Amino acid sequence: EAGVAQSPRYKIIEKRQSVAFWCNPISGHATLYWYQQILGQGPKLLIQFQNNGVVDDSQLPKDRFSAERLKGVDSTLKIQPAKLEDSAVYLCASSFHSSGGALDTQYFGPGTRLTVL
Amino acid sequence: AQRVTQPEKLLSVFKGAPVELKCNYSYSGSPELFWYVQYSRQRLQLLLRHISRESIKGFTADLNKGETSFHLKKPFAQEEDSAMYYCALSGPNTGNQFYFGTGTSLTVIP
Repeated sequence: EAGVAQSPRYKIIEKRQSVAFWCNPISGHATLYWYQQILGQGPKLLIQFQNNGVVDDSQLPKDRFSAERLKGVDSTLKIQPAKLEDSAVYLCASSFHSSGGALDTQYFGPGTRLTVL
Repeated sequence: AQRVTQPEKLLSVFKGAPVELKCNYSYSGSPELFWYVQYSRQRLQLLLRHISRESIKGFTADLNKGETSFHLKKPFAQEEDSAMYYCALSGPNTGNQFYFGTGTSLTVIP
């Protein structure tokens, strides 16, 4: 089966500019996750969708970050305006089950490396 | 608060030597624990989960609730084991949200 797709793979912008990332999960997967991975750290969950509804966005900086998952399939994550500390790899993952849990497996995309100058 | 600690950022072992990657956690209740691995130029992927009590690529991990640890072990390291390893925690107390450790970079020296 095709894996999780993300684009672009790399993006360089200046601070205060806007940027958007796209994710296409594995077909049939109910849950979609966006993670931020800063250099030297583990992935940190930003937002979790179940179908097209938000399950958890407690760690999403809502003053500048937004995300949507239209029709419960593709998703976009936007940063507006970007700050220097937003430089990171943004990972998208998807899983089959809607309830998550120990037996659910997250499949990760290749990530988008964002550099904010 | 939920937390995953991986005390070693870098770990080097010789081929054929035993390897142990440490993971300690903080969680109220019964956690669900995982090890994820990222090989060079590849995606982050699940290696194993404690609930399955499985051995993948010769790796095992035992949940020790007394020591709140979930160390990853392999008796004989191979060169292809060189990768970045992340311990992760989930569970009802986290709303099934995953918390990842900072990762350990394992290098197996030929």
